[in-house]
Amino acid sequence: DGGITQSPKYLFRKEGQNVTLSCEQNLNHDAMYWYRQDPGQGLRLIYYSQIVNDFQKGDIAEGYSVSREKKESFPLTVTSAQKNPTAFYLCASSVTMLEPLMNTEAFFGQGTRLTVV
Amino acid sequence: ILNVEQSPQSLHVQEGDSTNFTCSFPSSNFYALHWYRWETAKSPEALFVMTLNGDEKKKGRISATLNTKEGYSYLYIKGSQPEDSATYLCASPPNAGGTSYGKLTFGQGTILTVHP
Repeated sequence: DGGITQSPKYLFRKEGQNVTLSCEQNLNHDAMYWYRQDPGQGLRLIYYSQIVNDFQKGDIAEGYSVSREKKESFPLTVTSAQKNPTAFYLCASSVTMLEPLMNTEAFFGQGTRLTVV
Repeated sequence: ILNVEQSPQSLHVQEGDSTNFTCSFPSSNFYALHWYRWETAKSPEALFVMTLNGDEKKKGRISATLNTKEGYSYLYIKGSQPEDSATYLCASPPNAGGTSYGKLTFGQGTILTVHP
């Protein structure tokens, strides 16, 4: 079945450690996205990528880094510079937005809940 | 409007009531308008992707309209049921002519609770 897989589902991190969240998709989508959700808040965009080897900062990129070396993979690293990393992280993908009027709906993974201990 | 905004933030209705909420978005560089439903313990799922001014889409008891000139979309739910309880999100990615091309940002969402 095609879809997006995020791992792990739960992740615990000690303060000062970097951690990497995995996101893999087999939908052949060009675009991928990382979002963060905090309690009582909506989805905030961390990073996005429209094509392999290219990515852009979203609204809250500080303390995070990404790579897009393969079309199907878009890992997110939460660095020690992120002051408040405890949150729920969602990865999504969609077809390219290069083609006008193409159905660009996003498909989401199941999420990773990161807790700093 | 500079960002995607949704109202109201939350809504409580009784089973059988009809309801609607609003998504406002920047009308310049419009590319598409997305509506998603996000149920508790699940991933967000797309309801509609709308691209043309005046477009109306319907899926069962849920429908949506789009006004790209004034920058708003309405989502309607007819005869709400408890299973409609969810957070409803909208997003409006800008087109290739804008500096934020491909940036898929969401509004804060409307939390709908339907009471039996």
